[in-house]
Amino acid sequence: QVQLLQSESAVKKPGSSLKVSCQTSGDSLTNYAITWVRQAPGQGLVWLTGSIPALGTTTVAPKFRDRFSISMDAAANTAYLEVHSLQSDDTAIYFCAGAPVTADYYMDVWGKGTTVTVS
Amino acid sequence: DIVMTQSPLSLAVIPGEPASMSCTSSQSLLHSNGYTYFNWFLQKPGQSPQLLIYLGSYRASGVPDRFSGSGSGTHFILNISRVEAEDVGIYSCMQVRHTPWAFGQGTKLE
Repeated sequence: QVQLLQSESAVKKPGSSLKVSCQTSGDSLTNYAITWVRQAPGQGLVWLTGSIPALGTTTVAPKFRDRFSISMDAAANTAYLEVHSLQSDDTAIYFCAGAPVTADYYMDVWGKGTTVTVS
Repeated sequence: DIVMTQSPLSLAVIPGEPASMSCTSSQSLLHSNGYTYFNWFLQKPGQSPQLLIYLGSYRASGVPDRFSGSGSGTHFILNISRVEAEDVGIYSCMQVRHTPWAFGQGTKLE
C-alpha cells in the first residue's frame, strides 16, 4: 500500500519561498496523478494544482499560477510544490493526494499534510 | 470557474439516525461519456481528507455501505443511513469535471 510522505512543518517569512515535498513511498511516482490542496486555519479545502508525472502535465489554478509551481524528481519518487513570494494568507496545511494515472479524480491516498506558517 | 455550494453548513445528528446533505454546482458536471465527475470527501478531526464517493455515486474502496451518493449534473446529495460516532467531521464536495477543480465550503457533522 503506497503512502504519501510529506515534508515537515515550516515557518517562513513573508516574501520568502517554500518547497513542500510529497514522496510516494512503496510505489513509483509515475503510477500516480498528484493533486495539491491547502486548508487555511478554520477554512475549507482549496484545490491548488494537479499533475501527472508520467505525462509531464501540470495544471495550476489560475488564482495561484503566478506564485505556485510543481516540480518532480522521478528517481526519488517525489513531487514538490513550490510557493514564491509567500504572504500571510498562505498560512495553511498543504496536502498532497494521489490517484491512479487513468483516474486522476480517484484521490484515495493522502499525505498527512505539511503545516506552513508565514510570519 | 465553477462554484460549489453546500448545505447545510452544519448538521447535528443523533447516532443511529439518518443524515443528508447537498451540494450544488454552478455548471453541469456530466461528461459526454455518461459519467458525472463529482466526489465527496470526509475530513475527520485532525486528519487528512478521505475519499467517500467518486463519480457522483460510487463508494470508494473500504467505505461502509451506510454512505450513498446520488444526484444529477448540478445537484448532488450524500446520505448516511445510520450515523455512527466515527462519522463526525467535515464533509466536502468537489467537482473534478473542469479545471480549476473546486471544493464546496464543507458541511460539519456533529
